[in-house]
Amino acid sequence: DAGITQSPRHKVTETGTPVTLRCHQTENHRYMYWYRQDPGHGLRLIHYSYGVKDTDKGEVSDGYSVSRSKTEDFLLTLESATSSQTSVYFCAISESYGGNQPQHFGDGTRLSIL
Amino acid sequence: KQEVTQIPAALSVPEGENLVLNCSFTDSAIYNLQWFRQDPGKGLTSLLLIQSSQREQTSGRLNASLDKSSGRSTLYIAASQPGDSATYLCAVRTDSNYQLIWGAGTKLIIKP
Repeated sequence: DAGITQSPRHKVTETGTPVTLRCHQTENHRYMYWYRQDPGHGLRLIHYSYGVKDTDKGEVSDGYSVSRSKTEDFLLTLESATSSQTSVYFCAISESYGGNQPQHFGDGTRLSIL
Repeated sequence: KQEVTQIPAALSVPEGENLVLNCSFTDSAIYNLQWFRQDPGKGLTSLLLIQSSQREQTSGRLNASLDKSSGRSTLYIAASQPGDSATYLCAVRTDSNYQLIWGAGTKLIIKP
């Protein structure tokens, strides 16, 4: 299994509070991704990173920010959490962005915003 | 805009049966198509990747086919086992910006 660790695995918080999710990889892959998974929607890309301090928006980036200060760590921040951000969040990594290398996924963070 | 659909959303079959999972997409301009497996409480595991120039890929009891012109892919599972129970997702990598567009998945239950 690819060395991807997401923390925390579960979190319950209140509307309006800031939340930061962490993804840590030991594979030294250049590309890292944050997805959210909601019933009936499949996975949707929030943000991705193509190197240290290099990030770009995905399909559903509003309300989220990311940072990547080291190759191995990719942080997802909800500045002021809303109930619509209740979801399961997955981090993924890959050696390339396009091409035929598959993405490898962490086990997810289940986030509940009350 | 590319859309990916997986029907049915859930499927239950007896152990030992051969089965087919379906994935359809609206824009044939794809770079590749991938099938993933997701176990409860876990992340996704890549099963098969079919390049746009290929018709099928095989891995063990799994065979994935791709028909770009009709916008369809199928995942064939031979001699199903209870351990195959999981949610199966397909994802299309678009030709334009290489983003992955995901289906919502088919939840498969294999009954012993």
